[in-house]
Amino acid sequence: NAGVTQTPKFRVLKTGQSMTLLCAQDMNHEYMYWYRQDPGMGLRLIHYSVGEGTTAKGEVPDGYNVSRLKKQNFLLGLESAAPSQTSVYFCASSSDRATYEQYFGPGTRLTVT
Amino acid sequence: EDQVTQSPEALRLQEGESSSLNCSYTVSGLRGLFWYRQDPGKGPEFLFTLYSAGEEKEKERLKATLTKKESFLHITAPKPEDSATYLCAVLLEVTGGFKTIFGAGTRLFVKA
Repeated sequence: NAGVTQTPKFRVLKTGQSMTLLCAQDMNHEYMYWYRQDPGMGLRLIHYSVGEGTTAKGEVPDGYNVSRLKKQNFLLGLESAAPSQTSVYFCASSSDRATYEQYFGPGTRLTVT
Repeated sequence: EDQVTQSPEALRLQEGESSSLNCSYTVSGLRGLFWYRQDPGKGPEFLFTLYSAGEEKEKERLKATLTKKESFLHITAPKPEDSATYLCAVLLEVTGGFKTIFGAGTRLFVKA
């Protein structure tokens, strides 16, 4: 039981390049989330999903897209990376009620130069 | 505007020196409050959920309490392995669904 996994762990992009971050969970959770964490700030929600085939915008969605084609996977895409997207990205999942605790992946450190 | 503030930003303790971390909030529609622990280079790890004022939860040297305006994470006789960043988060009920707001965290350093 791996919990929540994220790939890659580290990535360096040049401005304008694109990439996809992959999140996978093996707990059969309905809810999945993508956050970014910046120094001195709390985790901020980018997008989330309440089930397979559904996505919704969070607090800071601009510049990102997501897809949830399979229940266990949640992808985060950056179509044209900008230096402001340099951050640590965390994926999380929770059971079928929003009030349940979230389980986080190990994070992806992204640098955009 | 909904806000979550954690204090202090950083706390340095000697091993065995008990203290408390604070999470204060000004929000509407509170459904719950969560505490997480985050080690350097890792994702947050769930500790507690509190749902109503007066509720308390305990786990080893940690005890979380909740009032109508704030939550405290009490650390009794801390050990160096308790060194981490502690995050609180509030879950709010909003039109059309829910919203979670995280505080910026308190970095705890426990020296042997």
